[in-house]
Amino acid sequence: AQTVTQSQPEMSVQEAETVTLSCTYDTSESDYYLFWYKQPPSRQMILVIRQEAYKQQNATENRFSVNFQKAAKSFSLKISDSQLGDAAMYFCAYRTRWGGGATNKLIFGTGTLLAVQP
Amino acid sequence: NAGVMQNPRHLVRRRGQEARLRCSPVKGHSHVYWYRQLPEEGLKFMVYLQKENIIDESGMPKERFSAEFPKEGPSILRIQQVVRGDSAAYFCASSPPGAGHTTDTQYFGPGTRLTVL
Repeated sequence: AQTVTQSQPEMSVQEAETVTLSCTYDTSESDYYLFWYKQPPSRQMILVIRQEAYKQQNATENRFSVNFQKAAKSFSLKISDSQLGDAAMYFCAYRTRWGGGATNKLIFGTGTLLAVQP
Repeated sequence: NAGVMQNPRHLVRRRGQEARLRCSPVKGHSHVYWYRQLPEEGLKFMVYLQKENIIDESGMPKERFSAEFPKEGPSILRIQQVVRGDSAAYFCASSPPGAGHTTDTQYFGPGTRLTVL
């Protein structure tokens, strides 16, 4: 079974600085998707970024980028130029690419609470 | 362009009552997922449905919980005879039919926070 581990329960960053959130996962599959979701105090789950395992190029969305190391099964999120609105719980998630009708479920880590200091 | 809608946003029930949680997916989406988030924890998968079919219910408790996604209308997660341990946030997500990039991403609703007294 696949597992997702986020070893940093809490992180803090100064406004305008850069912070990296860690995520590791375990799987025997070779093809899958990885996601970072953000959950602000409103508790709405917001997709931040996604990565296909078959792509070597790291995904980037504006100030958010990932460092995807497939061999190491590592998927970290880098937030550049941190803003107060980035303060939230961040969840890493895994999804198998294709199961021929089998589950598309997301497997989540336990989250990292990011605080942004003004 | 409405996203995933869930109602109610907050639901209070006494032990032994029934809870019904509703989810309207993004228009055109035919895949619905339900997740539960216990306090201070991550989201845990419960059930995956396509129109009128349950595809995967491996995360659903065997008793008291059921889910449906009828041909017409919202998806319903039903919890019978609620207990205090059912208190949690329940999230619904949807994705479109077919294959390709957009089908791989699940878009979440705002969640329903269930409190059992």
